[in-house]
Formats: sequence, structure tokens, C-alpha cells
Amino acid sequence: KAGVTQTPRYLIKTRGQQVTLSCSPISGHRSVSWYQQTPGQGLQFLFEYFSETQRNKGNFPGRFSGRQFSNSRSEMNVSTLELGDSALYLCASRDNLSGANVLTFGAGSRLTVL
Amino acid sequence: AQRVTQPEKLLSVFKGAPVELKCNYSYSGSPELFWYVQYSRQRLQLLLRHISRESIKGFTADLNKGETSFHLKKPFAQEEDSAMYYCALSGRGGANSKLTFGKGITLSVRP
Repeated sequence: KAGVTQTPRYLIKTRGQQVTLSCSPISGHRSVSWYQQTPGQGLQFLFEYFSETQRNKGNFPGRFSGRQFSNSRSEMNVSTLELGDSALYLCASRDNLSGANVLTFGAGSRLTVL
Repeated sequence: AQRVTQPEKLLSVFKGAPVELKCNYSYSGSPELFWYVQYSRQRLQLLLRHISRESIKGFTADLNKGETSFHLKKPFAQEEDSAMYYCALSGRGGANSKLTFGKGITLSVRP
């Protein structure tokens, strides 16, 4: 099985712009979670989607949003970018059928905001 | 609220020395505990989880509900163990499945 695929891997934006990141989960996995990883804060939970519905949400401002499509692929969007949004954004998928609450992570999308 | 605390940011040991990476948690209920590892230039990946009660790469972790701890241990560290280690917690099922991570600890094993 192919792993979790995230695109783009690297991107540079300027303050005020918006960005969309994409995540394709492992085939058959219906749950997708997003995390922001920074050196100072570590891994912070953004949101989780299951069957196109947001199931959990972290403590991020409304500028951060996401969605999931019928094929389980997910996108997250950050509007009005700020310098502090520079981070590695990780996507992870989970096999809900197995009952094991284990996340498989993608390589991440590294966002730099100038 | 669920919280994971890893009190140390860095642990540096010599090869062959014992290792203990500390993790304490706060959760009102019956949690699932995990250790994830991120080697240099690799993806974050599961190392072990308390439900499995298994030893992976010589590492073990025991859930101590009384002390709300889930410390990761290895009796003899190897250089290839150098990595970033994250302790994580989730509830059980459905809306409780959100995984909360600690801030991580860098383990450096010197030759």
C-alpha cells in the first residue's frame, strides 16, 4: 500500500496570502488528522475528519479550515497567513476498521511565511 | 482536558547506558498511551502502544495509572536510537480518538 501522501512538500508564501495543503490517506483509511509541528510547540492538533465530517477540532483560529472528500482525500486551508504560521503541517490517516487507534503520518508540507 | 507532559527536552547518554524517557499524562477516563518516534529525515512513526504490551527495538513502556505515567525505557542504548520521541494520548473511540502529543524529547546516544 502507498503511504500517506502530502502535497506540496515545500512552499513559500507571504503574509496575507492563503494556502491550501493536500493529503491523500492510505487506501481504505477513512480518518484523516492534521497537525502543526513547530520547534517551540511540538505537535499541535488542528482537526480530524471522518467520512467527510469534522469529528474533532483543536484550538486554532478560524483562519485554519479543512475538508474531506468522498474519496477520503483531505485538504486544509490557511487564510490571511501570518509569520507564526510557518511550520511543518503533518497529515495522518487511521484505519478505523481495525479498531487500533494508530496514526500513520505523511512526510509533511513545510510552509514558510515571509 | 487531556494533557501530556514530557518534562525534559533533551537526554544525552553514551552507547550502552540505560535510557528512560519520562511521560506523564492527565485524562479523566481510560486513555490509550503511545510513543511515537521521528528519526532524522524520516516520518513520524509509531514506536509502541500500551495496549500491545510489546517490546519494540528493545524499548518498553508500562502504563502506571496511579502515577499517571508512561515512561519509555531501554536497558542498553544504541546510536541508532538517536531521535525525537513523542509521548501521546487519546481517549477511546469516535470523538474521543483525538491524539494529543507531548512536546517531545531529543535522545542523543553518543559512541
